[in-house]
Amino acid sequence: GAVVSQHPSWVICKSGTSVKIECRSLDFQATTMFWYRQFPKQSLMLMATSNEGSKATYEQGVEKDKFLINHASLTLSTLTVTSAHPEDSSFYICRAQGGIEQYFGPGTRLTVT
Amino acid sequence: QKEVEQNSGPLSVPEGAIASLNCTYSDRGSQSFFWYRQYSGKSPELIMSIYSNGDKEDGRFTAQLNKASQYVSLLIRDSQPSDSATYLCAVNTGNQFYFGTGTSLTVIP
Repeated sequence: GAVVSQHPSWVICKSGTSVKIECRSLDFQATTMFWYRQFPKQSLMLMATSNEGSKATYEQGVEKDKFLINHASLTLSTLTVTSAHPEDSSFYICRAQGGIEQYFGPGTRLTVT
Repeated sequence: QKEVEQNSGPLSVPEGAIASLNCTYSDRGSQSFFWYRQYSGKSPELIMSIYSNGDKEDGRFTAQLNKASQYVSLLIRDSQPSDSATYLCAVNTGNQFYFGTGTSLTVIP
C-alpha cells in the first residue's frame, strides 16, 4: 500500500538553529499535506495545511514565519523550524492526502537543546 | 462545541474483555469516519474506516456508526495488552478532516 516517509526520524539541534523535516509520499500523489505537532501525552495539533504549488494555510496561533512549509511537488513537502527553541521540542507528523487516500508519516522527534 | 469529541479516559479493561470506545461528532454532513491507534511516541495508524450506518467488523475490531445520533464507536473484543494505546476518532467532512483528542486504553494482563 501507499507509504509516507519522514526524514529525519529524530533530530537534536541547538537553540537558535533551523531544522528541516521532509515528508514524502512514496507511491501516490499527495495534493494536500497536513503538518501536526504533538507534545507528550497531548493530542495531535494541526499546524498548517498545504496544497501543492500553493502557500500553506496556518492554524491560529502558529507562526508562519517560524514554521516554513514548502509543498513544491506532489510527493514532497518540507517543514522548516527556524530559530528553534527548547519549547519547539515536539513530535512532528505529516499527513499526506491525495483523493480518497490519506496516510500519516511516521513522525519526526525534534529535541532542541 | 468541538467537531469531534471523545472521552479522554483512561479506560482500563482486563485482558480478554471487550473495550468500548466512543466518539461523537457535530456536523451531520460528515461522510467518512476513522479510528486510529497511536502507541506512545509513534504516529497514528489507521485500524478501521466506516462510511455507512451499521457495524463493520475486521478481526477483533468492530466499528459502529449511527449517523442519526452522530455517534461512532469502536469495540475491541478479546482485548490484549498489546491493544494498550491511545485511540483517535477522525471524521471527514467535505475536504476537512477532524480528529478527536483520543481515548487512552490500558489492557491489564
